[in-house]
Amino acid sequence: AQKITQTQPGMFVQEKEAVTLDCTYDTSDPSYGLFWYKQPSSGEMIFLIYQGSYDQQNATEGRYSLNFQKARKSANLVISASQLGDSAMYFCAMRDELISNFGNEKLTFGTGTRLTIIP
Amino acid sequence: GAGVSQSPSNKVTEKGKDVELRCDPISGHTALYWYRQSLGQGLEFLIYFQGNSAPDKSGLPSDRFSAERTGGSVSTLTIQRTQQEDSAVYLCASSYLAANYGYTFGSGTRLTVV
Repeated sequence: AQKITQTQPGMFVQEKEAVTLDCTYDTSDPSYGLFWYKQPSSGEMIFLIYQGSYDQQNATEGRYSLNFQKARKSANLVISASQLGDSAMYFCAMRDELISNFGNEKLTFGTGTRLTIIP
Repeated sequence: GAGVSQSPSNKVTEKGKDVELRCDPISGHTALYWYRQSLGQGLEFLIYFQGNSAPDKSGLPSDRFSAERTGGSVSTLTIQRTQQEDSAVYLCASSYLAANYGYTFGSGTRLTVV
C-alpha cells in the first residue's frame, strides 16, 4: 500500500520569499510517480509538477521545483519568489507505475498543507 | 469541452434520499476517476473507469455507492439512501492513459446531507 505524509497543516510565508512544502512517502513499488497539486479556494485541483522515481534530475516547472530524495523517500515542493496568488492548499500525491498496472493511474494523496502568503 | 465538467456544483439533500452526480470528461480521455474530499482532508479514491468498464472499484465505501460510464464519456456517481457522513466534495478527473501531467480535475460537486 502507498502512503503520503504531509506534516505541515499550515504555513505562513512572506511574499517574495521561497517556501518548501514537505512530503514523505512510503511504497513498496519499484516504479512510481510523484505529483504536486494546488487547490485554491475555488476547489479545482491544479497540476503543478511530476517526478518519476527513475528520473535522474529533479523536476522543475517555472517557479516550482521538486526536491526528490529517493533514499529518504521525500519529495518536497519548493516555490521560489512566492506570490499572493500562491495562497492555496497543496497536495502531494503518488501513483504506482508498474507496467503490470498500466492503465490505472490511481493517485494516493496526502492530507495537504494550507499555504498563506503574507503581503 | 475544454475541461472536465461536473454537475451540479452544489447539492443539498435530505438524509435517506438518493443523489446522482455527473461528470463530463475531456473529449478523448479514456480514463476517468472519482474522488471524495471530506472537509479538511485529502482526496480519497472511489472508482476508476477505463472506457466503460470499472476495473478498480476498491474505494467505494459501501454498496450504497455505485457508478457507471456510458459511451466512454459521461459518468454518473449514485449514492443511495444518503447519510450525513456522505457530505463531502466529490471530484471527478480524466486523463489520457499514463499522462505525466496527471489528471485534469473538475471543480467538484459539494454534497451536503441534512
